[in-house]
Formats: sequence, structure tokens, C-alpha cells
Amino acid sequence: SQKIEQNSEALNIQEGKTATLTCNYTNYSPAYLQWYRQDPGRGPVFLLLIRENEKEKRKERLKVTFDTTLKQSLFHITASQPADSATYLCALDIGGYSSASKIIFGSGTRLSIRP
Amino acid sequence: DADVTQTPRNRITKTGKRIMLECSQTKGHDRMYWYRQDPGLGLRLIYYSFDVKDINKGEISDGYSVSRQAQAKFSLSLESAIPNQTALYFCATSLGTGGFAGGYTFGSGTRLTVV
Repeated sequence: SQKIEQNSEALNIQEGKTATLTCNYTNYSPAYLQWYRQDPGRGPVFLLLIRENEKEKRKERLKVTFDTTLKQSLFHITASQPADSATYLCALDIGGYSSASKIIFGSGTRLSIRP
Repeated sequence: DADVTQTPRNRITKTGKRIMLECSQTKGHDRMYWYRQDPGLGLRLIYYSFDVKDINKGEISDGYSVSRQAQAKFSLSLESAIPNQTALYFCATSLGTGGFAGGYTFGSGTRLTVV
């Protein structure tokens, strides 16, 4: 079955540094991959989508890379701020561009940015 | 008003009781999903619906049923609640074909406790 692993349960870094979160997957070749942010007691919020033919995608201080050979996505937050503290979820599709497309989620990495 | 509204926000129920969780959306999306979230296990798909006449089981559908009453409404029922169904439940919506449809929009969740 498809398996998604996010590099660690928790990551603690100093404000201003770049946070890098890792998502690895096995047993599948997703057509795209997504990243979400989740705050405690709230629903996940969509951040970025990157397709299999895209190596990198940026949005403000966020950058996502997608290496289909390594079966890995990296999620970077540059100039991190305490307000970036949250759990970040990786999700990949299990249906690609077909009408049956839907996504499955990793268990997330809890990021803490200390002042 | 929220794009995806879940009711109730919190619920405590007794083992063996029937309970319904409701979800309504104003996004105009055809696709709706029910996930449950447990610590360390991430989000797991219970049921999904690609349109009003379409209902599909997810990876953990046993003990659950759903009803798609209209494009905007998708309810989840626990016919006879058991303690291991204690979890945070999320409804989500999306546009059509995954890779072109952007991300999912989640509700704020229902925290269900079965005692």
C-alpha cells in the first residue's frame, strides 16, 4: 500500500532560520503532491501543490521541491517566524489526473519556531 | 460564514448510540470527503463522494455510513458508536480532477468522544 513518511514528529528551530521538512513516499508514483498547515484543534489549510513535472514551486517565504526519482518532497520556510509554528502535512494523490483522484496524508511534522 | 461548516464541534456520546456528524459547504465543490484524525496516525479517509449520486468507501469505512443529501451536504453516521471511534473528524471538499483542482478545503472538525 502507499506509504508516506514525514521526517520527524517535531522540529524546533530558531527564529530567522530556514525550516526544512521532509516527505518521503513509497509504492506509488503520484502525479502531484500537496502541503498543508494545521493549527491545534483546526482543520488543515492548503498551502502549495506541486506537480510531477515541476521541480520547484514558491509562494512568498515557502518553497517546495519534488524529486520523483528519490520519491521525496522538501518543504522550506525561509526567515521563519514564531507564527509559522504549526503542524505541516504532506499529501499525495492516489489517482493522478483521473476522475478517481483523491489524496492520502502523512502524519505531519510539528514545527516550533523559538524567538 | 465558513466555507465548510461542521456540526457539532464537540460531542460526547455513549457506547452503542447512533450519532450523525453533519457537513455543509458553500464552495460549490462537487467532491466531499470525511477523514478522521488520530494522534500519530494522521488523517485517514473514511468515505468520499464525487457527486450527489456517488458514494465510495475509503480506507477505514467499517462502522461508518454516509449520506450525500445534496451537493452542499454530506453527513457521516456512526450506527453504533464504540470507544475506538473517539477521534477528531474532518469534512473536506475539492473541485474535480485532483492535479488541476488545487487543494482541499477542510472544515474546523468535530471532536467526538465515545465513553
